[in-house]
Amino acid sequence: NAGVMQNPRHLVRRRGQEARLRCSPMKGHSHVYWYRQLPEEGLKFMVYLQKENIIDESGMPKERFSAEFPKEGPSILRIQQVVRGDSAAYFCASSPPGGLAGADTQYFGPGTRLTVL
Amino acid sequence: AQSVTQLDSQVPVFEEAPVELRCNYSSSVSVYLFWYVQYPNQGLQLLLKYLSGSTLVKGINGFEAEFNKSQTSFHLRKPSVHISDTAEYFCAVTASGTYKYIFGTGTRLKVLA
Repeated sequence: NAGVMQNPRHLVRRRGQEARLRCSPMKGHSHVYWYRQLPEEGLKFMVYLQKENIIDESGMPKERFSAEFPKEGPSILRIQQVVRGDSAAYFCASSPPGGLAGADTQYFGPGTRLTVL
Repeated sequence: AQSVTQLDSQVPVFEEAPVELRCNYSSSVSVYLFWYVQYPNQGLQLLLKYLSGSTLVKGINGFEAEFNKSQTSFHLRKPSVHISDTAEYFCAVTASGTYKYIFGTGTRLKVLA
């Protein structure tokens, strides 16, 4: 049973370009979460999605960042017009449907390390 | 709202010695608590979690943690560490009805030969 897949593992962008990060949840999981880890810091929640729905985006910056989890295909975290401060590791996690909110284990992918030049 | 404090940013310890990594939380509601480990350039792996019931929780790789409600703590322990335990350890909290984890800033455990 494959775990959470993220690609690319490393992404280099120049300032002003767009970054697209992909996350395929574990088989059977319909809940996806995105977290950002800045250097020397813990992970910070960004957004929680279910298929075709954004449930909680309270951690997403108001501009340039967007996320989706379509009916088919992976979840995408999109960062437009990247700036140096966007350099970080972005982790995706997934959990199965029907669990008790808060109590479910979130299974993390290996992360995408974004470097903005 | 919940918050998590990991007071020790780095903990060096000799191989086969015991270790305790500290985690304190604050919350006005009941919480669920987790410990994750992150090896270099990898994702997070669950070590153990506390949902309810027995306050002593046993996890993988010989780790255990004790939930102490009065002291709002969830410290992680291992009686004898190995070189391979060198990694970063994160404590996280959620509350019933919420989905997002609140992570501490992490503790870097370095096991010395």
